[in-house]
Amino acid sequence: NAGVTQTPKFQVLKTGQSMTLQCAQDMNHEYMSWYRQDPGMGLRLIHYSVGAGITDQGEVPNGYNVSRSTTEDFPLRLLSAAPSQTSVYFCASSRGGHEQFFGPGTRLTVL
Amino acid sequence: GQQLNQSPQSMFIQEGEDVSMNCTSSSIFNTWLWYKQDPGEGPVLLIALYKAGELTSNGRLTAQFGITRKDSFLNISASIPSDVGIYFCAGNSNYQLIWGAGTKLIIKP
Repeated sequence: NAGVTQTPKFQVLKTGQSMTLQCAQDMNHEYMSWYRQDPGMGLRLIHYSVGAGITDQGEVPNGYNVSRSTTEDFPLRLLSAAPSQTSVYFCASSRGGHEQFFGPGTRLTVL
Repeated sequence: GQQLNQSPQSMFIQEGEDVSMNCTSSSIFNTWLWYKQDPGEGPVLLIALYKAGELTSNGRLTAQFGITRKDSFLNISASIPSDVGIYFCAGNSNYQLIWGAGTKLIIKP
């Protein structure tokens, strides 16, 4: 099992550009989520999904979109990147939303 | 939004010492989780707690789910160099994990 995979590992964007962060898991987990981590802070939930076709907002959803067309994939879209979105982004999956397994992260810089 | 207060923010300890950190919340959680994060990596689950009063061990790590369901602590016994990292607590509420700000563990040479 590859577990939770994320691509790209690093990304630099200019303000206003859009992009999609990819996340995939091969554990057949129903629950998937996206977090951002800023220096000196814990993780903050952006969006989550409890199954294919179902998504919901977390604590900091503004500026981000998600979709869940398959159990395996949960991409995160930045619509118009802003410097405030410079962060490390983590994707996680779990069977029931409790014991979440994390990917290695995407380090995003917005200039 | 909900907040978890995690303390201490950082700890400088000697190898072999015991370590204790805790998390408190103004809200009740059904699940408490403890994670460790190494530099450049995603968090890795150490211990999950599901019942108030539960005491669970994982090797040298012991964690407890507070009776009030608003707090949890993590102890590490006889610390070793590979224990260095950032430890996070997280509480589960309606499929959403709420995270503490982390405790950075540094081992003095």
